[in-house]
Amino acid sequence: QKEVEQNSGPLSVPEGAIASLNCTYSDRGSQSFFWYRQYSGKSPELIMSIYSNGDKEDGRFTAQLNKASQYVSLLIRDSQPSDSATYLCAAYGNNRLAFGKGNQVVVIP
Amino acid sequence: ETGVTQSPTHLIKTRGQQVTLRCSSQSGHNTVSWYQQALGQGPQFIFQYYREEENGRGNFPPRFSGLQFPNYSSELNVNALELDDSALYLCASSLQGGVGIQYFGAGTRLSVL
Repeated sequence: QKEVEQNSGPLSVPEGAIASLNCTYSDRGSQSFFWYRQYSGKSPELIMSIYSNGDKEDGRFTAQLNKASQYVSLLIRDSQPSDSATYLCAAYGNNRLAFGKGNQVVVIP
Repeated sequence: ETGVTQSPTHLIKTRGQQVTLRCSSQSGHNTVSWYQQALGQGPQFIFQYYREEENGRGNFPPRFSGLQFPNYSSELNVNALELDDSALYLCASSLQGGVGIQYFGAGTRLSVL
């Protein structure tokens, strides 16, 4: 079992719609959770962090954490073509980030 | 811009050779972590350096080694290169004891032929 799993295939959303991404993690000792955005050929860019159960909103992004279910999600509201990228979910623990495989999001104008 | 710089940006080596990648951490950050990202995969943790010592290691063989210098910059060395070492190598800087936020450099793209 992988530490962080992102199982959804590529996600296509119309411009202005909501994109919904989720991941699960296996290590209950994970302390912090992050979403990174990675454009093709570039390095990961931190867009959201969440540390406690519930929702955290930052602009058009909302992260949700449920430690009991070991589940993290990311909502992107009013999706823009510039949001087209791969989104990586990461869990932090034992001095390291464990990443999922990533979900590709394509926003269609 | 994260303030984390990596060099070189691209590198081509042949199987069996050795390579050194370099990273300068963001100002104020004392910890450097290295990750390997193969095409289509998420980054995989190689190791972390804090106070010039290895402070955690992922599932990578000993031919992957590193150093951290007093100014917190770091090197990743890979000996006896294999074809599967072809990947994007990412350096991330952070503050030890924090909540785990890590900022990535632009990466070094290594191709092994």
